[in-house]
Amino acid sequence: RKEVEQDPGPFNVPEGATVAFNCTYSNSASQSFFWYRQDCRKEPKLLMSVYSSGNEDGRFTAQLNRASQYISLLIRDSKLSDSATYLCVVSDYKLSFGAGTTVTVRA
Amino acid sequence: DTEVTQTPKHLVMGMTNKKSLKCEQHMGHRAMYWYKQKAKKPPELMFVYSYEKLSINESVPSRFSPECPNSSLLNLHLHALQPEDSALYLCASSQDSSGQGKTGELFFGEGSRLTVL
Repeated sequence: RKEVEQDPGPFNVPEGATVAFNCTYSNSASQSFFWYRQDCRKEPKLLMSVYSSGNEDGRFTAQLNRASQYISLLIRDSKLSDSATYLCVVSDYKLSFGAGTTVTVRA
Repeated sequence: DTEVTQTPKHLVMGMTNKKSLKCEQHMGHRAMYWYKQKAKKPPELMFVYSYEKLSINESVPSRFSPECPNSSLLNLHLHALQPEDSALYLCASSQDSSGQGKTGELFFGEGSRLTVL
């Protein structure tokens, strides 16, 4: 079983739509959780950390469910510039990357 | 613009060549990393340096040889590579000296895209 699993998508959504996707992790001892964003042929960049109580950063909301061992990312009012691959990252003593969920926002 | 600089951006080499990838950061970070990424796959950790000492080697074949000359520089020496080693090689750094970025913020360079013929 992979340490971190994500629905690869792609999620194709119109501008202004809401899109949400999850990531599951296998190690119950994982302590830290993050979403990274990677544009095509570019490097990954930290989008946001995920806290136990859930957190928002503008149009982005991240949630953590420790009991079911998953994290989620919700994007509201999607913009064309949100088109990217979103990588779920889970940390125990090292960072483990998911394969990414591709989101395409169309005009 | 990324604050981690990698050179070259593109590299084509034969299986008998020796080449090096270079990475530089001036953020005062004490941990530096090499990752390998194939298309549509997540980055795979290769090496971690913490305070200029190799702290993690993820069982990488010896044809890849890392070097950390100082706290700002990280090299990856390549020798006798195979075509399956063709990938994007990403360098990253983090402030966290534990070597695996517990804060999660890794700063990646734009990568060196390697093709082995």
